Amino acid sequence: QVQLQESGPGLVKPSETLSLTCAVSGGSISSDNWWSWVRQPPGKGLEWIGEIYHSGSATYNPSLKSRVTISVDKSKNQFSLKMNSVTAADTAIYYCTSNGWYCLDVWGTGATVTVSS
Amino acid sequence: EIVLTQSPGTLSLSPGERATLSCRASQSVSTTYLAWYQQKSGQAPRLLIYDTSNRATDIPDRFSGSRSGTDFTLTISRLEPEDFAVYYCQQYGTSPLYTFGQGTNLEV
Repeated sequence: QVQLQESGPGLVKPSETLSLTCAVSGGSISSDNWWSWVRQPPGKGLEWIGEIYHSGSATYNPSLKSRVTISVDKSKNQFSLKMNSVTAADTAIYYCTSNGWYCLDVWGTGATVTVSS
Repeated sequence: EIVLTQSPGTLSLSPGERATLSCRASQSVSTTYLAWYQQKSGQAPRLLIYDTSNRATDIPDRFSGSRSGTDFTLTISRLEPEDFAVYYCQQYGTSPLYTFGQGTNLEV
């Protein structure tokens, strides 16, 4: 089964850009599958950020669309998240997932990102 | 945007008891588009149920899902100690594509 692992800086300054990568193992990112990012602020619920296909086609949550870019690197079998102009409200655990049948079927372990100066 | 409201917010039960968790949609949701997740403390969510009533891989059959109109239910027939966690429902829609309920905390 596919396994996912997030990586990236754990601390980002306000107004700067958050960058995370999700490494895919046990499968190909070029398979007929979409890949998503989801976040969870401390003590709160889940928020879907967006998804991408290996072609590069992406769909975003309208609430974050102006600040988010999701991209794919087929040569490295990974996909990435960039979120600009971050504030303390973007402090969260960020998960990458693979998309199943109208659900998110495999999740990474999560990357904790704190926005603070 | 479809809003999912889960109830109760917290459910206090004991091992061996039956748990019934509710997820109500603000408008019609296709049966195909409703899923449930379990999240244990300090862990990532895990897919339990998709397509309203289909168990994901390796999910025990004490977990079941059902629907009545805009109300979706996750039932755990006989609670095991490892079942105490937070449960989220999720629907697939138009925009945003995925939305979640606020969660039900199932505690001992």
